[in-house]
Amino acid sequence: EAGVAQSPRYKIIEKRQSVAFWCNPISGHATLYWYQQILGQGPKLLIQFQNNGVVDDSQLPKDRFSAERLKGVDSTLKIQPAKLEDSAVYLCASSSIRDRVVAGNTIYFGEGSWLTVV
Amino acid sequence: KQEVTQIPAALSVPEGENLVLNCSFTDSAIYNLQWFRQDPGKGLTSLLLIQSSQREQTSGRLNASLDKSSGRSTLYIAASQPGDSATYLCAAEHNNNDMRFGAGTRLTVKP
Repeated sequence: EAGVAQSPRYKIIEKRQSVAFWCNPISGHATLYWYQQILGQGPKLLIQFQNNGVVDDSQLPKDRFSAERLKGVDSTLKIQPAKLEDSAVYLCASSSIRDRVVAGNTIYFGEGSWLTVV
Repeated sequence: KQEVTQIPAALSVPEGENLVLNCSFTDSAIYNLQWFRQDPGKGLTSLLLIQSSQREQTSGRLNASLDKSSGRSTLYIAASQPGDSATYLCAAEHNNNDMRFGAGTRLTVKP
């Protein structure tokens, strides 16, 4: 079974520039998450999708961050304009509704997209 | 608002030692408690998930316990090996899918 795919793995941009990250979840997983992990901290949820609808985006800085999940499969996370404090790893994760009901929640993470804003 | 704390932030032990990692959470009304492993430059891998009605889960040399009333969970690693070196994170999840992570414990097992 293929895992959660993310790209690009690494990105360096100047402040005020824009960047976009792409995520392809595990096939059949209805729930997709974007997390931000700053060095030395635990992941913080930015946005959660169920199919192509937003379940929770309360911690997404909407003045500069946007995310979409067209057709309920792939997702993109965009930052525009970037600030120095956006330097972090952006983790995409997915889970299935069945896994949640049967086993609580088995969530699968991608390897992350590392962003450095200079 | 749920806050998750992990102590210690870093731990270094010789190979073969048994060790305990601690996780505390402020809101005991959780749906489940999950332990993850994160290797440098990688994403998170789920190790053990304890549902709110359970007290512990075991997988190989790993055992995780949950005490909701005291807001604590522990991850016990038996006979540690250098390959166990990684950052271990716990996450408390509520029924509304809100999952809060601790900052992690960075474990180094020396040969």
